[in-house]
Amino acid sequence: GDSVTQMEGPVTLSEEACLTINCTYTATGYPSLFWYVQYPGEGLQLLLKATKADDKGSNKGFEATYRKETTSFHLEKGSVQVSDSAVYFCALRTSGGSNYKLTFGKGTLLTVNP
Amino acid sequence: EAGVAQSPRYKIIEKRQSVAFWCNPISGHATLYWYQQILGQGPKLLIQFQNNGVVDDSQLPKDRFSAERLKGVDSTLKIQPAKLEDSAVYLCASSLVASGRADTQYFGPGTRLTVL
Repeated sequence: GDSVTQMEGPVTLSEEACLTINCTYTATGYPSLFWYVQYPGEGLQLLLKATKADDKGSNKGFEATYRKETTSFHLEKGSVQVSDSAVYFCALRTSGGSNYKLTFGKGTLLTVNP
Repeated sequence: EAGVAQSPRYKIIEKRQSVAFWCNPISGHATLYWYQQILGQGPKLLIQFQNNGVVDDSQLPKDRFSAERLKGVDSTLKIQPAKLEDSAVYLCASSLVASGRADTQYFGPGTRLTVL
């Protein structure tokens, strides 16, 4: 079945450090890939997405590139801020019919210190 | 536009009691999802509705969980009777009926259930 493996957390960085959160997937078919973020006390929000190989999703300074050859979708940011402290979830959705369920990784807690 | 609304935000019950959660999706969104998020894990789909029909309930523990979306708008998820392992955050999400690959699911704030 479909699965997503994310780098184990927690990750603690200083402000302005570089961030990479690794994500790899196993899927039947040709999935769409997503990163969701959950800020403290809030619901899940879509951060970025990519729907085909070599697509790059980007938002708020975060980027991730859909790599079909390595089945990966790593999240990167060149300079993190304290406000980026949150839990980050990688997810996939395989196309097919009307079933649009998302399969999530376990999440990675990021803490950014001033 | 208003987001996905859920209530209550928090609920504490004893095992074997019943509990119900309510969700109102974004206006016009035909597809509604309930996810269960256990502490330290990613959300897991319990059930997906399209309008008032069930698309996928393969991971819903049907001996104790039930869900309905009678008029194709808001939805209720019920647990009866609750077990300790049902302690989790229950997330509701909605999306437009999508013909493309990039349909976005919008999540509510969740209901945190504690079973004692």
